[in-house]
Amino acid sequence: SQELEQSPQSLIVQEGKNLTINCTSSKTLYGLYWYKQKYGEGLIFLMMLQKGGEEKSHEKITAKLDEKKQQSSLHITASQPSHAGIYLCGADGYGGSQGNLIFGKGTKLSVKP
Amino acid sequence: EAQVTQNPRYLITVTGKKLTVTCSQNMNHEYMSWYRQDPGLGLRQIYYSMNVEVTDKGDVPEGYKVSRKEKRNFPLILESPSPNQTSLYFCASSLVGPSYEQYFGPGTRLTVT
Repeated sequence: SQELEQSPQSLIVQEGKNLTINCTSSKTLYGLYWYKQKYGEGLIFLMMLQKGGEEKSHEKITAKLDEKKQQSSLHITASQPSHAGIYLCGADGYGGSQGNLIFGKGTKLSVKP
Repeated sequence: EAQVTQNPRYLITVTGKKLTVTCSQNMNHEYMSWYRQDPGLGLRQIYYSMNVEVTDKGDVPEGYKVSRKEKRNFPLILESPSPNQTSLYFCASSLVGPSYEQYFGPGTRLTVT
């Protein structure tokens, strides 16, 4: 079965610093999604990537999907306290149905003022 | 306001006592899904529904039932809850499938003693 591995598991950065979170798949990705979660709350959609080499940006967050479509990275530029939370990558599963979705275990980001 | 609502938000119950967690969305979305989130295991899909009367198992369906009689509602039923079902549960919906932005509910924290 497909798995998504995220690294690092947790990250503490000083405000203003850049950071990168990685998401690696055991199989080719056909749809890769990034979500953000504040502790104990529901997830908020950030971006979706589908094509090899695709890159999308929203405000100070940029996500890329590599050419082989097995790894994605999320990069935050000039981090702010509002960026703190848990970042999860998700992907279409391989359960044989279009509705199956799997997630990585998440990366917990703390931003120190 | 577009939203996904879950009830109850918090529930403490005893082993074997049947319970239902309701989920409702007001966006006319076709796709709805249930997840559970556990420390160290991340977010895992329980069941999903591509449309009314169409449901399918996710990765951890054991011990759960769902139904989709109306487009807006997707209740999660625990016929005989056990302590290993203690978890944080999220309902989500999207326009057509997981390839579209999913809107998550606020979560239901369930404790089974």
